[in-house]
Amino acid sequence: GAVVSQHPSRVICKSGTSVKIECRSLDFQATTMFWYRQFPKKSLMLMATSNEGSKATYEQGVEKDKFLINHASLTLSTLTVTSAHPEDSSFYICSARDPTGYTDTQYFGPGTRLTVL
Amino acid sequence: AQKVTQAQTEISVVEKEDVTLDCVYETRDTTYYLFWYKQPPSGELVFLIRRNSFDEQNEISGRYSWNFQKSTSSFNFTITASQVVDSAVYFCALSEDENFGNEKLTFGTGTRLTIIP
Repeated sequence: GAVVSQHPSRVICKSGTSVKIECRSLDFQATTMFWYRQFPKKSLMLMATSNEGSKATYEQGVEKDKFLINHASLTLSTLTVTSAHPEDSSFYICSARDPTGYTDTQYFGPGTRLTVL
Repeated sequence: AQKVTQAQTEISVVEKEDVTLDCVYETRDTTYYLFWYKQPPSGELVFLIRRNSFDEQNEISGRYSWNFQKSTSSFNFTITASQVVDSAVYFCALSEDENFGNEKLTFGTGTRLTIIP
């Protein structure tokens, strides 16, 4: 149980294009999903908290117009990197909070590696 | 503000040796949660354990064990009889109960563990 998927796993795009990343909780309903960014050999930095049916809460320093987050259902959140530039190249990881059961834990997707040329 | 410190950036041990990964945290809250995640080369974060601040019992799961000591604000992770498959980056994380239902994780910088065959 508690499986989170991400699509695509890898994407290469040209500078200036937009890229959409999907995060799905496959076997539970997630009222809250989180988006993280990880640079090579670095830790995970929280970008935003996504709540189903409401606007995302962004961390300080994260441009909300650049990183659009939509949480349209209890099993799907999307992150759109708009007008991507090479500095946006990174590993993006989502997590979904499973509030049921004892653990109430965040489970992570496999990540999406974005390369902007 | 919460903070997680993993002072060991890289550790290498020979297979079958025991290894302990250190984690020290800072928080002002009396209620908080501590986590360990494993990130193998594939990139996906694998949940290992969640511990709340009121439960100081040590836990053992197979070859894994965790030592939680509030007096020293530490939550150390020990792998006994290490195996090559244990090679990964291990992250310690902390969440505070300040916003119930939307706990944000603060990650340490991770410890890269290499098990030498």
